Amino acid sequence: KAGVTQTPRYLIKTRGQQVTLSCSPISGHRSVSWYQQTPGQGLQFLFEYFSETQRNKGNFPGRFSGRQFSNSRSEMNVSTLELGDSALYLCASSLGDASSGNTIYFGEGSWLTVV
Amino acid sequence: AQSVTQLGSHVSVSEGALVLLRCNYSSSVPPYLFWYVQYPNQGLQLLLKYTSAATLVKGINGFEAEFKKSETSFHLTKPSAHMSDAAEYFCAVKGGTASKLTFGTGTRLQVTL
Repeated sequence: KAGVTQTPRYLIKTRGQQVTLSCSPISGHRSVSWYQQTPGQGLQFLFEYFSETQRNKGNFPGRFSGRQFSNSRSEMNVSTLELGDSALYLCASSLGDASSGNTIYFGEGSWLTVV
Repeated sequence: AQSVTQLGSHVSVSEGALVLLRCNYSSSVPPYLFWYVQYPNQGLQLLLKYTSAATLVKGINGFEAEFKKSETSFHLTKPSAHMSDAAEYFCAVKGGTASKLTFGTGTRLQVTL
């Protein structure tokens, strides 16, 4: 069974540009969450989608957005990139509603460098 | 609201020695607790989780953790460290209807010969 798949794995963008990251959850999983990992701030929750609806959002500016498609695949977008957006972006999926005790599985992440 | 405190950002043990990584949590509701491991340039891999079924939880790679409500702790242990255990370990909590994981700051485990 394939795990959580994230693309691209590595990318370099220039300040002011925008970026879209993609995530394919484990087959059958309907909840997708996104996290940002940086050396300074650690692992921080961005948002969670369940059945195409955003259920929860972390404390990030509106430049960070996401969506989920009917096949549970998800994308996140960051507009007007800043140097501080350089991070590892992790996607996670769970079988059901992530508010339960369902295990949350993570992908390998997308490494974003903003120059 | 939930929070996690991991004591010790770096822990060094000899190969074959006991591994003990500390995690204390705060939660206003009964928590779900998780330990994840991250190897260099990789994502997070679940080691084990506590969901109230049993206070002693066994995970992969010989790791286990004990939930102690009175101490609000969920420490991770392994009887005998192996070189391949060198990685960063994260404790995380999820409480009640919250759908997000709140992570600790991580503990980097070094295993020496």
